[in-house]
Amino acid sequence: EAGVAQSPRYKIIEKRQSVAFWCNPISGHATLYWYQQILGQGPKLLIQFQNNGVVDDSQLPKDRFSAERLKGVDSTLKIQPAKLEDSAVYLCASGGEQYFGPGTRLTVT
Amino acid sequence: AQSVAQPEDQVNVAEGNPLTVKCTYSVSGNPYLFWYVQYPNRGLQFLLKYITGDNLVKGSYGFEAEFNKSQTSFHLKKPSALVSDSALYFCAVRGFKNSGGYQKVTFGTGTKLQVIP
Repeated sequence: EAGVAQSPRYKIIEKRQSVAFWCNPISGHATLYWYQQILGQGPKLLIQFQNNGVVDDSQLPKDRFSAERLKGVDSTLKIQPAKLEDSAVYLCASGGEQYFGPGTRLTVT
Repeated sequence: AQSVAQPEDQVNVAEGNPLTVKCTYSVSGNPYLFWYVQYPNRGLQFLLKYITGDNLVKGSYGFEAEFNKSQTSFHLKKPSALVSDSALYFCAVRGFKNSGGYQKVTFGTGTKLQVIP
């Protein structure tokens, strides 16, 4: 069974630039999550999808972050414009038990 | 609001000895409880979960966890530690509402396990 795929694995951008991350969940998983993990902290849920609908986005900074899952399969997370404090690993997970992808390490300079 | 506490930033244990990584939680409704492991420069891996039933849950790599409702704890255990178990361990909780539906998953801050050869 293929795992959760994420790309890119690493990204370095300057502040005020925009960036997008992509996630392809495990086949058949209706639930998809995006987490932000800052170094030394536990993951923080940004948004949760059930199929293509948003279940929880209460911790998503909506002034700069957006996410979509148009066809209920893969998903993109976008940051525009990026700030220094957005430097973190962005994790995608799918399924009720939350199988995680390898993450995207974002560095904002 | 639900919360998870992992009171130890780091746990050191000698190889071959039993290990315990502590986790306590606060949640309204019935809890779903999870343990994940994170190796350096890698994503989180699911270890085990408790939803209902037997309070002792067995998971991957020989790990197990004991759900204690009265103490609101879900400690991770292993009878004999291996050097390869050295990693960062996260406890997580999701509250399930009696009226249906569930709360988002909340993670603890993590405990670094160091197994000494």
